[in-house]
Amino acid sequence: KQEVTQIPAALSVPEGENLVLNCSFTDSAIYNLQWFRQDPGKGLTSLLLIQSSQREQTSGRLNASLDKSSGRSTLYIAASQPGDSATYLCAVKGGGFKTIFGAGTRLFVKA
Amino acid sequence: DAGITQSPRHKVTETGTPVTLRCHQTENHRYMYWYRQDPGHGLRLIHYSYGVKDTDKGEVSDGYSVSRSKTEDFLLTLESATSSQTSVYFCATGGLQEEAFFGQGTRLTVV
Repeated sequence: KQEVTQIPAALSVPEGENLVLNCSFTDSAIYNLQWFRQDPGKGLTSLLLIQSSQREQTSGRLNASLDKSSGRSTLYIAASQPGDSATYLCAVKGGGFKTIFGAGTRLFVKA
Repeated sequence: DAGITQSPRHKVTETGTPVTLRCHQTENHRYMYWYRQDPGHGLRLIHYSYGVKDTDKGEVSDGYSVSRSKTEDFLLTLESATSSQTSVYFCATGGLQEEAFFGQGTRLTVV
């Protein structure tokens, strides 16, 4: 059974800091991994999608990597801003349309 | 905006009453999903659809049914609402290797 773990559960950093969010999964038989952000009371916004054959994806200040063999993904946020404050979720899509979500990392960026 | 609209956005209903939540998408996606999000449990798949009239159960399907008579609409019905079904419900689209997009959610309270 696929399990997805996100560490840390919460993170508070000063504005401008570079930071890394971690996601680990137990079953490497995946189609893809996707990172989302969720603001309080809102839906999930897609940030980056990494297919199983890819190693990383970049969008602006965000970079996500995938190491399928070790069951790990990282989301790197450069030069963090207060507007980056949100909960970040990783989701792993495997067989049978089963997308398993991590519990999320709650990020607070202090101005 | 991924063209996904959920209605209603908020609903309070009494125990034992039937409730239907609607998800409407404008991007002609084949695959659609219903999730619920609860503190301590994260996001869990209720049902999904892989085409008109083609649906299947997710991990927490008991007490829920779905219907998809048109590509653009995916309905989630709680046959007889219970307090344990108080949750935030999200609709999503995205095939096996496609980026997943989420609606803004429906907050359902069963009293």
